[in-house]
Amino acid sequence: ETGVTQTPRHLVMGMTNKKSLKCEQHLGHNAMYWYKQSAKKPLELMFVYSLEERVENNSVPSRFSPECPNSSHLFLHLHTLQPEDSALYLCASSQGIGQGDYEQYFGPGTRLTVT
Amino acid sequence: GQNIDQPTEMTATEGAIVQINCTYQTSGFNGLFWYQQHAGEAPTFLSYNVLDGLEEKGRFSSFLSRSKGYSYLLLKELQMKDSASYLCAVMDSNYQLIWGAGTKLIIKP
Repeated sequence: ETGVTQTPRHLVMGMTNKKSLKCEQHLGHNAMYWYKQSAKKPLELMFVYSLEERVENNSVPSRFSPECPNSSHLFLHLHTLQPEDSALYLCASSQGIGQGDYEQYFGPGTRLTVT
Repeated sequence: GQNIDQPTEMTATEGAIVQINCTYQTSGFNGLFWYQQHAGEAPTFLSYNVLDGLEEKGRFSSFLSRSKGYSYLLLKELQMKDSASYLCAVMDSNYQLIWGAGTKLIIKP
């Protein structure tokens, strides 16, 4: 247990569906992240939030919409996804940003399959 | 562009020693991380290096040479549970982590 939980663990959705991924951290951290992990590829940073403010959006398609209502919760809203969006979506948190030794703690991920 | 290179897969024998290399080219440097990821699980933090030299932590050690853009993770007395992917990541000048694709380590009895 890393102190970061994600639900659901597995999700199958059609291209016309709308679904949301949820992440919660119990570590008192101030920064939260969404990553996409595809097989044999590097982790791709999607979004970064610090103190509930979005600080980074790495050119992610608008069919992915993040929401951070407070420093402990992070959502990723999904709509009209494409089959190539099938991947493992990882949430992470860290004490803050802007300091090199702020290690990130990861949740177990949501395995998403788009049909 | 920014780039992290590490071998795709390595095989080693239980009880032996293995070294996983990582080379990087990034815009700025604020430290290098190694993470372990078992299949179907979250990546977990192993080590952080920001100064040149060797950091030892039990059976695992991590080395950094900033001038060479090079790091390695050394695993001693390998156990079957060490079978996992090992991810190298560099924090750039914007304090963003740039990740390698990971090295899948297979341990054989």
